[in-house]
Parts: sequence; C-alpha cells; structure tokens
Amino acid sequence: NAGVTQTPKFQVLKTGQSMTLQCAQDMNHEYMSWYRQDPGMGLRLIHYSVGAGITDQGEVPNGYNVSRSTTEDFPLRLLSAAPSQTSVYFCASSYSSGSYNEQFFGPGTRLTVL
Amino acid sequence: ILNVEQSPQSLHVQEGDSTNFTCSFPSSNFYALHWYRWETAKSPEALFVMTLNGDEKKKGRISATLNTKEGYSYLYIKGSQPEDSATYLCAFSNDYKLSFGAGTTVTVRA
Repeated sequence: NAGVTQTPKFQVLKTGQSMTLQCAQDMNHEYMSWYRQDPGMGLRLIHYSVGAGITDQGEVPNGYNVSRSTTEDFPLRLLSAAPSQTSVYFCASSYSSGSYNEQFFGPGTRLTVL
Repeated sequence: ILNVEQSPQSLHVQEGDSTNFTCSFPSSNFYALHWYRWETAKSPEALFVMTLNGDEKKKGRISATLNTKEGYSYLYIKGSQPEDSATYLCAFSNDYKLSFGAGTTVTVRA
C-alpha cells in the first residue's frame, strides 16, 4: 500500500493564480481531510469529507474548495492564491469517522505564494 | 474553534531521563483525544487514540493518560533516547473534526 500520497511536494505560485493540490489514498478510508500547518500553530483543519460526495468546512475554509467524487481522491483547490496561503498542506485519511480512528497523514505539500 | 493547549512548548531532556508534558482541551462534548508524534521532515504518525475517562495507553517507553472531566492528558516518555526527539501533537475530537494543539517539541541530548 502506498498509504496517503500528495502531489506536488513543492509549489510556488504568484498571487491570483489558481491550482489544485492532489491527495489520494489506497486504504479504502471513508474519512479524508486537509490541514495547513503554519509556524507556531497546530495543524488547522481546512475541509473534510466523511465519504464520497460529502464534504464540509473546517476551521479555515476561506479561499479553498474541495470535492470528493471517489473514495480514493480528495483534491484541494486554491481559487485565487494569496500570500496568506503560504503554508505546508497535509492531507489525512482515516477509517470511518475522524473522531475515533487514527489519522494517516500524507507527506505534505509546501506552497509558497509570492 | 476549539482551544487545545500544550505545555511546555519545548523541552530538553538528558538521555536516560524521563519526562512528561500536558495537553489541555475543552471538557464538554468530548469524543476522543489523539496523540501524534511528528519527526522533522516526516509526517505526523499516530501514537494513541483515547476515548474513556481514566484511559491509560502504552507503546514501548511512551504512555499517556486521560482525564476528560477536567480536560487534560499527559504524555510520558520513560528513559528518553535520542530517537524520541520529535514534536508531539495532541488533538481533541469533537464530532467529525480534530483540533490540534501547537505541539511540544522534545529534544533528547546524548
């Protein structure tokens, strides 16, 4: 099993550009989520999904869109990149609800917005 | 936004010494408390998921306790080794969401 994979590993964008961060898992996990990690702060939840076709907002959803058309994939779209979105982004998945099951994290995407 | 606090922010331990640190979380509407270990240049990896008041879990030299009534959990490292150097994150679970603390960074000196 590859576990949770994320692409790209690094990305530099200019303000106003859009892009999609890819996340895939091969563990047949129902629950997937996106976090951003900034210095001095914990991981903050952006969006999450409890199954294909179902998504919901987390703590910091503004400026990001998600969709979940398959169990395996959960892409994160930046609509119009801003310097405040410079961060490291982690995708995670877990079996069933995110509450009672350990999260498996991807390797992260380091995004810089100029 | 759920307030999850970890203290201290960082600590240095001599190899062989034991240490512990704290995670504080809201005591209402508790679902679960997670602990993750995060090594530099890697991704967070789960240590424990704890759900019941009074839970104690152990993995090797690392153990954790949970008090849901007062809203805190302790993580203990017994006989610290250099490979224990990492940031330890706790996360409070409320329904489908996890709220993470900022972490405690442990540095073990040989």
